[in-house]
Amino acid sequence: EPEVTQTPSHQVTQMGQEVILRCVPISNHLYFYWYRQILGQKVEFLVSFYNNEISEKSEIFDDQFSVERPDGSNFTLKIRSTKLEDSAMYFCASSDRGAPTEAFFGQGTRLTVV
Amino acid sequence: AQSVTQLGSHVSVSEGALVLLRCNYSSSVPPYLFWYVQYPNQGLQLLLKYTTGATLVKGINGFEAEFKKSETSFHLTKPSAHMSDAAEYFCAVSDLTGGFKTIFGAGTRLFVKA
Repeated sequence: EPEVTQTPSHQVTQMGQEVILRCVPISNHLYFYWYRQILGQKVEFLVSFYNNEISEKSEIFDDQFSVERPDGSNFTLKIRSTKLEDSAMYFCASSDRGAPTEAFFGQGTRLTVV
Repeated sequence: AQSVTQLGSHVSVSEGALVLLRCNYSSSVPPYLFWYVQYPNQGLQLLLKYTTGATLVKGINGFEAEFKKSETSFHLTKPSAHMSDAAEYFCAVSDLTGGFKTIFGAGTRLFVKA
């Protein structure tokens, strides 16, 4: 069964460093998303991406964040200068044009900023 | 705009007892509704979904949910709890007015007592 793959599963970084979280969405999907879950809290929407551009972003997704689809298979989230409060689980998701409302989620990357 | 409210951040049941996790939604358009389960330190797994058609939907692991438009509810039930059901459960709605992002409730942690 096709699935969304995220790497790494856990990343530790120092405050102020740049991190790139990587995702391989399901191959025929056209909509891509990043979500964040701070420990013990709910899952929050960060950004959606369609047709090689951001289609929607939340107020969390400030200038420190960027997304990119560098090739036909990867979808990345970059945090330019990490802060302690960026520590969270980050989920990538993708959905199909035929059923855009049903997103398939990856297993997440746990980011720890020290 | 769509939103989801989950009643009860924690629910505790005995093994073999009925599981009932409550979810109410707010939507200006016919909603697409989902329940996700998250086991400790793992990703989000889709339990079941309601899009159109039959209002009683069955999911994996013996869970089901009923869409009640008059009550704006989408409660999750399972007739007999198992120890392995202990997890965090998220009700979610798909944003059909501003895109296709998924909007999550705050989550309900289910505890199952032996």
